[in-house]
Amino acid sequence: KQEVTQIPAALSVPEGENLVLNCSFTDSAIYNLQWFRQDPGKGLTSLLLIQSSQREQTSGRLNASLDKSSGRSTLYIAASQPGDSATYLCALPPRGYSNTGKLIFGQGTTLQVKP
Amino acid sequence: NAGVTQTPKFRVLKTGQSMTLLCAQDMNHEYMYWYRQDPGMGLRLIHYSVGEGTTAKGEVPDGYNVSRLKKQNFLLGLESAAPSQTSVYFCASSYSTAGGPHEQYFGPGTRLTVT
Repeated sequence: KQEVTQIPAALSVPEGENLVLNCSFTDSAIYNLQWFRQDPGKGLTSLLLIQSSQREQTSGRLNASLDKSSGRSTLYIAASQPGDSATYLCALPPRGYSNTGKLIFGQGTTLQVKP
Repeated sequence: NAGVTQTPKFRVLKTGQSMTLLCAQDMNHEYMYWYRQDPGMGLRLIHYSVGEGTTAKGEVPDGYNVSRLKKQNFLLGLESAAPSQTSVYFCASSYSTAGGPHEQYFGPGTRLTVT
């Protein structure tokens, strides 16, 4: 059974710092992996989706990498800003459910960027 | 483009009452999903739909029913609400590609309290 873990649960950094958020999964036979952002009291916003055939995806200051063999994805945020403060979640479909859209979510990492 | 909208935003129910949560999307997406988010439990899939007229169970379907009579709408029903159903409910949708469903887009959520 696929399990998704995000460590640490919370992270606080000063503004301007580059940082890495981690996502680990137990079953390396993944179809894709998606990173989301959630602001307090709000819904989830999709940040990046990496297909299993890709090594990384970039959007602005965000870069997500995927290493299936080690069961790990990282989200790199460059030059962090206070507006980046939010909870970041990773999610991926369980084995055999890639055509249904079912996702298993990690618990998330809550990021605080201090001015 | 409104994206994914949810009605209502907040609701308080008494144990045993029934209600329906409405999700609507204007992106012509094939796939739609209902999740609940609870502290310490993360996001869990309740039911999902891979197309108009079809529904399927997710991780935590008990106590809920769904219907997808129109492609743009996905309804979540609670026939007899219980305090354990106090949660924040999120609807999401995704479009399909040759390889299956793509990234998911989320609504703003419905905060439900059952007393």
